[in-house]
Amino acid sequence: RKEVEQDPGPFNVPEGATVAFNCTYSNSASQSFFWYRQDCRKEPKLLMSVYSSGNEDGRFTAQLNRASQYISLLIRDSKLSDSATYLCVVNLRGAGKSTFGDGTTLTVKP
Amino acid sequence: DTAVSQTPKYLVTQMGNDKSIKCEQNLGHDTMYWYKQDSKKFLKIMFSYNNKELIINETVPNRFSPKSPDKAHLNLHINSLELGDSAVYFCASSQVPMGGGHYEQYFGPGTRLTVT
Repeated sequence: RKEVEQDPGPFNVPEGATVAFNCTYSNSASQSFFWYRQDCRKEPKLLMSVYSSGNEDGRFTAQLNRASQYISLLIRDSKLSDSATYLCVVNLRGAGKSTFGDGTTLTVKP
Repeated sequence: DTAVSQTPKYLVTQMGNDKSIKCEQNLGHDTMYWYKQDSKKFLKIMFSYNNKELIINETVPNRFSPKSPDKAHLNLHINSLELGDSAVYFCASSQVPMGGGHYEQYFGPGTRLTVT
């Protein structure tokens, strides 16, 4: 079983749609959680951190469920510019150990 | 100002050659990483250095040798290149709190390596 598993996708949605991505992690020692975004032929960049209380940044909402070892990302009112690959990332306790999911590709169409 | 920079951006070479990729960060971070992203776009960690010390080596062939001359630099040397080494190699850095925890990683633009 992979340490971090994401919806395989791809997701193809129309502009304005709401889309949700899921991610599960297997190591209960996981300490912090993130969503990164990677555009085609570019480097990954932090989209948002994920906290147990849930957090929102504009059209993006991230949620963490430690009991179920599950992370989610909700995008409301999708824009064409949201088309990218979204990577779920989990940091273990201790220095420098991050595990990236395989990514979920989103394409938003006009 | 570029936070994490890598050189070269593109590298085309023949099998059997030896090549190096350089990485520098000007963020003052104490931890640096090398990742490999293959043709399927899966991003896998190769190495992690904390204050110039190797802390993670993820089952990478010993043809790959990282070197960290100081906290701001982490270079990757690859001997006897093989076709399967073709990928995009990303350098990253982060400032890891004591005991680990919450830290984000900043990535360089990547080096696209093609072995022919």
